[in-house]
Amino acid sequence: ILNVEQSPQSLHVQEGDSTNFTCSFPSSNFYALHWYRWETAKSPEALFVMTLNGDEKKKGRISATLNTKEGYSYLYIKGSQPEDSATYLCASEGSSNTGKLIFGQGTTLQVKP
Amino acid sequence: DTAVSQTPKYLVTQMGNDKSIKCEQNLGHDTMYWYKQDSKKFLKIMFSYNNKELIINETVPNRFSPKSPDKAHLNLHINSLELGDSAVYFCASSQGQGPAYGYTFGSGTRLTVV
Repeated sequence: ILNVEQSPQSLHVQEGDSTNFTCSFPSSNFYALHWYRWETAKSPEALFVMTLNGDEKKKGRISATLNTKEGYSYLYIKGSQPEDSATYLCASEGSSNTGKLIFGQGTTLQVKP
Repeated sequence: DTAVSQTPKYLVTQMGNDKSIKCEQNLGHDTMYWYKQDSKKFLKIMFSYNNKELIINETVPNRFSPKSPDKAHLNLHINSLELGDSAVYFCASSQGQGPAYGYTFGSGTRLTVV
């Protein structure tokens, strides 16, 4: 994989459903994987930054896992709420020590009440 | 109190004009970035500065020139604007340079060239 790819592109769930989406990234020269939450008409907001293989991070009902050997990360949302509706971006940071992020296109989540 | 602020929020201008977008952060971060959201909605890096020093300069037309008068400011100047420059431009900052520092983004500047 040369680029950062996210799937699905969009997702509609009912309030209370749990959901997850995938981020695939180049596993060579890997340094960190970022997740951002981007609500309409706002700016992207950092959720997690993960660096170690097997890392798992949690913030409330949202959690993320990281597999650096195979180059993927999952974002999970437990018991989705309408306020979780947003685009979730992942970005890969390489080992060039410049802070440059390669972003995926995002997964847009719509949670219906 | 906005952490990363960009001005203006919207900018409509004619082809051939020169315009600037300003960015300021009050977080004390060392590194600032400009990203462009392309037509497919991807965020792509244009430039980054660390303590007023240019670190990243992607393959961006040289009509785009960043200027960092101090580490709290990173402005983007665009000469001879073209229709294809229409996009949303995001400024961001991070605490350090290199791995594992999350970004704080500004709210974006929507540039429309007519």
